[in-house]
Formats: sequence, structure tokens, C-alpha cells
Amino acid sequence: EVQLVESGGGLVQPGGSLRLSCQTSGFTFSSHWMHWVRQTPGKGLECVARIKNDGSYSDYGDSVEGRFTISRENAKNTLYLQMISLKVEDTAVYYCVRDDLSYGIDYWGQGIPVTVSS
Amino acid sequence: VVMTQSPLSLPVNLGQPASISCRSSQSLVYSDGNTYLIWFQQRPGQSPRRLISKISNRDSGVPDRFSGSGSGTDFTLKISRVEAEDVGVYYCMQGTHWPWTFGQGTKVEIK
Repeated sequence: EVQLVESGGGLVQPGGSLRLSCQTSGFTFSSHWMHWVRQTPGKGLECVARIKNDGSYSDYGDSVEGRFTISRENAKNTLYLQMISLKVEDTAVYYCVRDDLSYGIDYWGQGIPVTVSS
Repeated sequence: VVMTQSPLSLPVNLGQPASISCRSSQSLVYSDGNTYLIWFQQRPGQSPRRLISKISNRDSGVPDRFSGSGSGTDFTLKISRVEAEDVGVYYCMQGTHWPWTFGQGTKVEIK
């Protein structure tokens, strides 16, 4: 069974930093591209970042480019999202999402809330 | 790429059909000839679940009352007979042009 479990979220002040982790199991992690997607009541669903299966390539959404860094540790089946210079508008539920290689993203984690507020 | 769904709210009687439209601001045909249009269902309090990919390919375990169709920039998700468990928000998403983008969501509820 595919499982994606996010951790590391919480409350942080504007300008602060946070690192999200996603522990995965139930599939060959090193074979799949992985994504972070966030959701807010106001802006809906937004692709934040994606990373190639071997970690050699990554892409970012326009609103987080230069502030967020996606990375992975294939030996630990774990995906990360390092977030710096956080803004109030980064407040969202962040999901770790798997790419199934052929059809697009399929499995989602349960989501982890991040609140940026003073 | 802007994805526009309609309607945003869809009250339906049990057993009746439902249809959701999704339009993209540009063609979703990728250089490999595939069209990466996905439909997700998000039930209350849950994470999104993929229903359909590449316009019309239903995921394993998805009831056959769900179907997808369309091409280019115009796509549709249909539920042939709505059941109580279908209540939730439905999103289309394009996976052709990065950054991938989602529609605003269509809330399906029982009348």
C-alpha cells in the first residue's frame, strides 16, 4: 500500500523558515518523480515544486521560486521541502504527492498545515 | 495555464447525472501526443483522490459511473448516476505545462 506521511509543519513567523518531510513506503521511491502541492481556501490547489526521481532536476512554482528548495533522500525514501523567507501567503496545507511516471500525479499524503503569522 | 471549471456548485438529486466542465487557456496536448488532463475528487476532510487521467483513463477502483471526455482545451467529467458517496469537490488539473495548474473546484452536493 502506497503511503505518504508529511511532518514538520506548524506555526512560524513571517520571514522564518521551516522544513517539511515526507516519509514514503509501499513503492519504489527512487523510481518516481515527487511533488509538493499546497491548498488554501482562497487560492485552491497550487503546485509548489517537483523533483526528478534521482534528484538531479527540480522545478518550482512562480510564487516560491528562490525561497523553497525541494530535495530527496532515496536511501531513506524521504522527500523534503525547505522553506525560507516565509510569507503570510504561504499559509496552506502542504501535500506530498507521487508522480506515477505515465499519467501524472496519483497518490497524495494526508497533508500538513503550515501557518505563517506574527 | 488557467483552468476554468463550471459550474462551481452542483446540487444533484440522488440517481441523477452530473456533468462538470473544465476549460484550459491553451491546448493541453504535450509534445509526445498525450493530453495530461486529470480529474481529482476531494471528499470532506480528505486528501484529493485521482479518478481519471489522460482525459478518460479511469483509475483502478473508481466506479464506472465516472467518465471523462474531451480534447485540446475542452474537457468534461460525467457522473452517470450520483450516489451519496460522490459528495465532495472535484478538480481538473493540467499536467502538460509547468507549473501544473488546477481548476477552482466544483462542489457536488445532494439536493
